[in-house]
Parts: sequence; C-alpha cells; structure tokens
Amino acid sequence: EPEVTQTPSHQVTQMGQEVILRCVPISNHLYFYWYRQILGQKVEFLVSFYNNEISEKSEIFDDQFSVERPDGSNFTLKIRSTKLEDSAMYFCASNRQGVYQETQYFGPGTRLLVL
Amino acid sequence: AQKVTQAQTEISVVEKEDVTLDCVYETRDTTYYLFWYKQPPSGELVFLIRRNSFDEQNEISGRYSWNFQKSTSSFNFTITASQVVDSAVYFCALGGGSNYKLTFGKGTLLTVNP
Repeated sequence: EPEVTQTPSHQVTQMGQEVILRCVPISNHLYFYWYRQILGQKVEFLVSFYNNEISEKSEIFDDQFSVERPDGSNFTLKIRSTKLEDSAMYFCASNRQGVYQETQYFGPGTRLLVL
Repeated sequence: AQKVTQAQTEISVVEKEDVTLDCVYETRDTTYYLFWYKQPPSGELVFLIRRNSFDEQNEISGRYSWNFQKSTSSFNFTITASQVVDSAVYFCALGGGSNYKLTFGKGTLLTVNP
C-alpha cells in the first residue's frame, strides 16, 4: 500500500540553524500538508499546499517557515532560523483532493530537536 | 472556529475490558467530517475512521465501534475487549467548511495493562 515517507526520522540542530524536512507524498496525491506536534500536545496544522501554492496557513506558519515542491515527488518544509520552541514532531500528509472527505494520510514524522 | 474536545487525558484499563473514548466537537459548518487517528508509541499517525456529518449511522469494525450523535456533537470511540496492542494516544479530528486543515483534539492516552 502506498505510504507517505519522511526524512530524516530524527534531526538535532543548534538554535539559529536552518533545517529542511523532506516528505514524499503518495504519488497520485495533489494536496500536501504539514502539521506539527509539540511533545505531549495535540497535532496542529501548519500549512496546506496545492498546485505549487500555499492554500492555507496557520498563525504558527510565520516568515521563518517556507514550503516547496522542488520536483515531482518531494515536498519540503524549511525553517530558516530555528528556535528552541520549534522542537516538535513534524508530520507531512497528503490526499488526492483537498477536501476533508478525502482522508489525509500521514507520514511517520520527523522528530526535530533544537538545542 | 472549529474545536475538538477530548476531555479524557488518560485512561487505564485491564486487558479485555471495554473502553470508550469521548470526543465532542464544535463547528458552524453544516457539512463536516470527523476522524479518529491512533498514535502508537512509535509516533506515527494511523487513520482509523472518517465519518461525514450526514451519516449518523454507527459503525463497527472488528473490536472498534463509533457512535456519532449529532444532537450532542459527539463522536465517541469504543474498543471492545481491549488488548495491550491498543495502547496508544487516540486523536479525534474535525475537518469542514472551506478549510483543508484538520483540527485535532488533545488526544487520549489509553493504556491497556495485561
């Protein structure tokens, strides 16, 4: 069964450094998402992306964050200058249609630790 | 604004007990969808069920069942004859309106002891 994959599974970085989290959505999916989960807390929406544009973003998704689909398979989340509070699990998700009736399938997550 | 409340932070049961996880939601949308996801200790999010707002039929899948009550804005999840492998955090989520995003509850940590 097709899966969303994410790399790396874990990343440790120093405060102020840039990080890029990578995702490979399911191949026939057109809508892509990033969510984050601070340890022990709920999963929070960051951004949705379709047709090479951001469809919606939350207030968490400030100028330090950016997303890109650099080629036909990858979907990336960049954090320009990481802060301690960016430490979280970051989940990528995708679905074929951007409506909620299409289940969003989540990747296994990237655990980011900012020191 | 959409909101999902999972009032039970943690539940602990003994294997073979039945357990119900509560989910209450708030939305102004007339069309919306409700979801349950499971997050085992390994951390991934596993889709369990999707239910639309027009379908109030209860659903059963093996040991899992879901009770959708629009009148009380609840979408509760019952595990029958729980097993140790059911130990996980369970999230209820809501999607609707023109948004693409899912709004999650805070999750319920279920521990099933042998």
